[in-house]
Amino acid sequence: GAVVSQHPSWVICKSGTSVKIECRSLDFQATTMFWYRQFPKQSLMLMATSNEGSKATYEQGVEKDKFLINHASLTLSTLTVTSAHPEDSSFYICSAREPQGRTKRLGETQYFGPGTRLLVL
Amino acid sequence: AQSVTQLGSHVSVSEGALVLLRCNYSSSVPPYLFWYVQYPNQGLQLLLKYTSAATLVKGINGFEAEFKKSETSFHLTKPSAHMSDAAEYFCAVSPPIYNQGGKLIFGQGTELSVKP
Repeated sequence: GAVVSQHPSWVICKSGTSVKIECRSLDFQATTMFWYRQFPKQSLMLMATSNEGSKATYEQGVEKDKFLINHASLTLSTLTVTSAHPEDSSFYICSAREPQGRTKRLGETQYFGPGTRLLVL
Repeated sequence: AQSVTQLGSHVSVSEGALVLLRCNYSSSVPPYLFWYVQYPNQGLQLLLKYTSAATLVKGINGFEAEFKKSETSFHLTKPSAHMSDAAEYFCAVSPPIYNQGGKLIFGQGTELSVKP
């Protein structure tokens, strides 16, 4: 149990285009999903917290108009990198957590997707 | 505010030797603590977690960690390293879910190399 998928696993796009990344919880419902960015040989940087049915909460320094997050259902959150530029190239990872009232099985744990590698040319 | 420090960005051990990856945290409230492993070009896999139950926590793949409040530490150990243990390891802290929505704060990561 507790499987999280991401799609696509990697994407190459031209500068100025937009890219959408999907994050799905496959065997549990996730009212909260998190989006991270990871540069080579570095730790994960939290970009935003996505709550089902409400606006995402962005971390300081993250442009909300640049990184659009939608959490339309209990199993799906999407991250759209708008007007991508080469500096947006990175490894993007999502995680999902069960609703607070159902933490007996999974506790306070975040379960991570396999990541999406984005290369902007 | 919570923070995590992993001592040593790179640790190298011989196959069969003890693995010790260090993690110290700072937290104003009793935290939850986690160890995750990341293989190249993959997401993070949970190794083990401490959520205020037993202070010695056993995880997958033979790893375990001990929560020591007096030392504010949560070091990860494995008695005998395997080649397949070579990966990046992240320690993370999270305040209880009612505080900050369960955000994870990660350490800088420790790359474990295992020599034959």
